[in-house]
Amino acid sequence: GAGVSQSPSNKVTEKGKDVELRCDPISGHTALYWYRQSLGQGLEFLIYFQGNSAPDKSGLPSDRFSAERTGGSVSTLTIQRTQQEDSAVYLCASSLARISGQETQYFGPGTRLLVL
Amino acid sequence: QKEVEQDPGPLSVPEGAIVSLNCTYSNSAFQYFMWYRQYSRKGPELLMYTYSSGNKEDGRFTAQVDKSSKYISLFIRDSQPSDSATYLCAMSAGPGSARQLTFGSGTQLTVLP
Repeated sequence: GAGVSQSPSNKVTEKGKDVELRCDPISGHTALYWYRQSLGQGLEFLIYFQGNSAPDKSGLPSDRFSAERTGGSVSTLTIQRTQQEDSAVYLCASSLARISGQETQYFGPGTRLLVL
Repeated sequence: QKEVEQDPGPLSVPEGAIVSLNCTYSNSAFQYFMWYRQYSRKGPELLMYTYSSGNKEDGRFTAQVDKSSKYISLFIRDSQPSDSATYLCAMSAGPGSARQLTFGSGTQLTVLP
């Protein structure tokens, strides 16, 4: 079956430009997460969407970062005025199943962003 | 100090060896513990899940949690070249915050044929 897909797989941009990263979650999954993975670092939580609830934006590093989820499905992560320190792999995950209260997250392959 | 500490490696072992991967953590509220495997240029995939202290075995993989020491381990028996990947530990405090996982930085493992 189809897993989580992300596009583009790679993105090279110039400092100061805006970028949009897209995530298509697994069909029927109500929860969607964005993480950032920098070289040698663990996954850093960015934002979480659950159904129609207000998103948990507590992980967004600055106001240059924003995300939306349309129709409870596809999500777009937007980075405005990109900086070199934004270079990282941006991972999206979705979840449905609960294991004793813990949601199992399924990850996409990520978008590799390089800001020159 | 990071909430979750994990030795980044790299760790290189011969095929058939027993591999031990470990994480320590500082937040005593963590109750759910996971190990993810991430192949190069792929997203992480859930390998093992454990709730609270104890052991869990799945095939060649065994996960151990020692909450008193704030220490978790993943053991891989009879390691195979296909096990070569980065292994990430992850944990969360409970259903109320289950949506947020705190990850270790990952240990890069290479199993040599």
